[in-house]
Amino acid sequence: DIQMTQSPSSVSASVGDRVTITCRASQGISSWLAWYQQKPGKAPKSLIYTTSSLQGGVPSRFSGSGYGTDFTLTISSLQPEDFATYYCQQTNSFPLTFGGGTKVEIK
Amino acid sequence: EVQVLESGGGLVQPGGSLRLSCAASGSTFSSFAMSWVRQAPGKGLEWVSGISGSGDSTYYADSVRGRFTISRDSSKNALYLQMNSLRADDTAVYYCAKLTAYSASAVDYWGQGTLVTVSS
Repeated sequence: DIQMTQSPSSVSASVGDRVTITCRASQGISSWLAWYQQKPGKAPKSLIYTTSSLQGGVPSRFSGSGYGTDFTLTISSLQPEDFATYYCQQTNSFPLTFGGGTKVEIK
Repeated sequence: EVQVLESGGGLVQPGGSLRLSCAASGSTFSSFAMSWVRQAPGKGLEWVSGISGSGDSTYYADSVRGRFTISRDSSKNALYLQMNSLRADDTAVYYCAKLTAYSASAVDYWGQGTLVTVSS
């Protein structure tokens, strides 16, 4: 199975800050990586698929990059509604494993 | 607009069984793979099981293989998860998820989740 490792596990930031989250796969997955956002008590929300394609309705301040084993999610200017936990997931092959999550907290 | 709605969660004793259902609407159901994803209290997301668009291929996490069975009924636009030999560590919110393609792919739509509690 492909293992996914996210870092950091948490980050404190202020509104307007640029935030970058890293995800590493235990083996190459080409561009088959997705990102999700989850707020407390809510279902996850799909943000990005195939590394950099935004799901419908996702603001352009979210962007993704990477290839192979190393990927990043960047929020260019953090907004109040962006404080949440973010998960990466490899979509290369079953089992579709998730990273451990990164909690973005208010500084 | 695609909608995904789970049902069937509840309280069950260790060793017991439960069947989760998921109703999907708004898309050509058999064209897309589906998955179950769970989240234990205070923990991260864990992929549990997946099934191809036709239902002829099924996949499981090691933690549930041999105990859980995923299936789908395209005539009813429905997805199921039969859970047997339940353990305390199966306690979680279970999400039904529609994938973007026929096989392994990202989730584009999530259900609201159904809580399964395994306790005596």
